[in-house]
Amino acid sequence: DVKVTQSSRYLVKRTGEKVFLECVQDMDHENMFWYRQDPGLGLRLIYFSYDVKMKEKGDIPEGYSVSREKKERFSLILESASTNQTSMYLCATTGLASSTDTQYFGPGTRLTVL
Amino acid sequence: SQQGEEDPQALSIQEGENATMNCSYKTSINNLQWYRQNSGRGLVHLILIRSNEREKHSGRLRVTLDTSKKSSSLLITASRAADTASYFCATSRYGNKLVFGAGTILRVKS
Repeated sequence: DVKVTQSSRYLVKRTGEKVFLECVQDMDHENMFWYRQDPGLGLRLIYFSYDVKMKEKGDIPEGYSVSREKKERFSLILESASTNQTSMYLCATTGLASSTDTQYFGPGTRLTVL
Repeated sequence: SQQGEEDPQALSIQEGENATMNCSYKTSINNLQWYRQNSGRGLVHLILIRSNEREKHSGRLRVTLDTSKKSSSLLITASRAADTASYFCATSRYGNKLVFGAGTILRVKS
C-alpha cells in the first residue's frame, strides 16, 4: 500500500511566521500535489510537481511556495502566514506510470494562523 | 476552478437504506473518480469510471456516468454507520491533475 505521511496533524502559528508543511511518500511516485480544503469549497490545488526540482502552479498559488529536492519529499511553504491561510492542507501523490489518475492522500494538516 | 458539483450537499439516512449522490461537471473528461473522507482525515479513493464507460460496480458501490449530461451518480447500497463520511467526485481532463467538487456529507444513523 502507498503510504503518504505529513509532518503534523495540527499546527498553530502566528501571523507573519514562516511555515513549513512536509509530505513524504514511500512509493517512488513522480507526481506530488498540495491542496487546501475549506468548507463548501472542496479541495483546491495549490502547487504540484512532476519531478525533483520541478514545480507548477495550481489554481491558488498566491502566498505559497514549494520545494522538491528529493523525489519522496514535497514541502509547502507559507512565507508569511496570514489568517486567511487557516485551513486543512492535504498532500497527495500518484505515479506517472500509473494507468489511472488515482491519487493517494496523506492524513492532512490542520493549520490555524492566529 | 471547481469542476464538479455534488448534490445534495448533505444526506441523512437510516442504516440499511441506499444512499445516492450526484455529481455534475462542466467540461469533457478522461475519467471521473469518487473519494471518501472520514471526519478530519485524508481522502481515500473509492472508484474510477472512464469516459467510455457507463456503469461500474465495486462491492456495495455503483457508479454511473452520463457524458451527454455531464453527470455521474454514486449509489451506496445497504448503508452502514461506517459509511458516514464526506464523498467527493473528481474529474480528470489531462495529465494527473484532478478537479474536486465541494462534496456531499453523508450521515448514516444506526
